[in-house]
Amino acid sequence: ILNVEQSPQSLHVQEGDSTNFTCSFPSSNFYALHWYRWETAKSPEALFVMTLNGDEKKKGRISATLNTKEGYSYLYIKGSQPEDSATYLCAFIIPYSSASKIIFGSGTRLSIRP
Amino acid sequence: NAGVTQTPKFQVLKTGQSMTLQCAQDMNHEYMSWYRQDPGMGLRLIHYSVGAGITDQGEVPNGYNVSRSTTEDFPLRLLSAAPSQTSVYFCASSESSGHTSYEQYFGPGTRLTVT
Repeated sequence: ILNVEQSPQSLHVQEGDSTNFTCSFPSSNFYALHWYRWETAKSPEALFVMTLNGDEKKKGRISATLNTKEGYSYLYIKGSQPEDSATYLCAFIIPYSSASKIIFGSGTRLSIRP
Repeated sequence: NAGVTQTPKFQVLKTGQSMTLQCAQDMNHEYMSWYRQDPGMGLRLIHYSVGAGITDQGEVPNGYNVSRSTTEDFPLRLLSAAPSQTSVYFCASSESSGHTSYEQYFGPGTRLTVT
């Protein structure tokens, strides 16, 4: 059974503080990892697609790093704002036959206190 | 572009009833998939399709059927609804059907309750 684990499950952060959380995945046969942001009552939206060991991606105040050899990715948020409150999902992509299967972690629920 | 659309948004079924959840995308994406979202379990893949006429099972396929007769549409059929199928269902699509990993675009979800 393939496990994609995210920690912590939930996080409460003061507005203006920076924070980070982790996605752990199997380190063998890595193909790709996605990060998604999921606001309450909306649909998940893609943040990053990461494919290479050592990848660092950035979008505004949010950035992500990837270590495929040890099987983890970090998502960082700098200077948290109330609009950053959401659940952050990572998804591990398995190449399978002619397509890809996608295994999601259970997410980190982030709440920003004003 | 409308992106990925799903109907209905809400549905209540009685145990044993059947129904079809509709999903359509207008981005000419090859890859489409269905997920269910349950508390504490994230998104779990039910079925996916890499193109018209080709479907395959995900993690939790039992009790669901799919077909893909066109690139645009990917309906999910519940054959005989059970309370364990109470969940929120998301359809998603992406360009990828092979060796390139593209981000997925999600529909707004269908909240299904089976009593």
